[in-house]
Amino acid sequence: GQQLNQSPQSMFIQEGEDVSMNCTSSSIFNTWLWYKQEPGEGPVLLIALYKAGELTSNGRLTAQFGITRKDSFLNISASIPSDVGIYFCAGQKGSNYQLIWGAGTKLIIKP
Amino acid sequence: SQTIHQWPATLVQPVGSPLSLECTVEGTSNPNLYWYRQAAGRGLQLLFYSVGIGQISSEVPQNLSASRPQDRQFILSSKKLLLSDSGFYLCAWSANEKLFFGSGTQLSVL
Repeated sequence: GQQLNQSPQSMFIQEGEDVSMNCTSSSIFNTWLWYKQEPGEGPVLLIALYKAGELTSNGRLTAQFGITRKDSFLNISASIPSDVGIYFCAGQKGSNYQLIWGAGTKLIIKP
Repeated sequence: SQTIHQWPATLVQPVGSPLSLECTVEGTSNPNLYWYRQAAGRGLQLLFYSVGIGQISSEVPQNLSASRPQDRQFILSSKKLLLSDSGFYLCAWSANEKLFFGSGTQLSVL
């Protein structure tokens, strides 16, 4: 099915570094959602964005709804070991069951 | 507060055996409910969604079926499992344009 273009696919970073990932699409979305999934667990909602240009923070995480409504990014500042996991974006065009998912960004912290 | 329960956490089943995964939601009424599947290292694929008791919509043709016998209960079933049914199955419910997931069931069909 249709997917969002999420990049990068994976990231190796040093503890303390800032992280940035994004999702883009050729379609316009009404809502953007960012999730984090740890091994063997269900995805956990991090941030929800509802308006073009909206910038929302959740602790060290900041996400923005692109002005064109076709993209969104997620930043993590000063990464720590517990940030490892897979981050997914999801865009919603209409009703709840029409979420379109990115393929995920796997965050790995170098020892 | 709302909670979602999904069980079992892991399941190993032989090919051709039946399947029943159960999901219940607490603390809300008339939720939209969903079943997703996730292959290892991959994104999420929507299998079924339900907007009410007895109302099931299927997103992809498959060997699985879903039922919603009660408002806050969603069941994923199969009469005969295939090897390709292996994966991580996630139940979810939605409110205010947000989707909340259960802890998942890792199904291995051998």
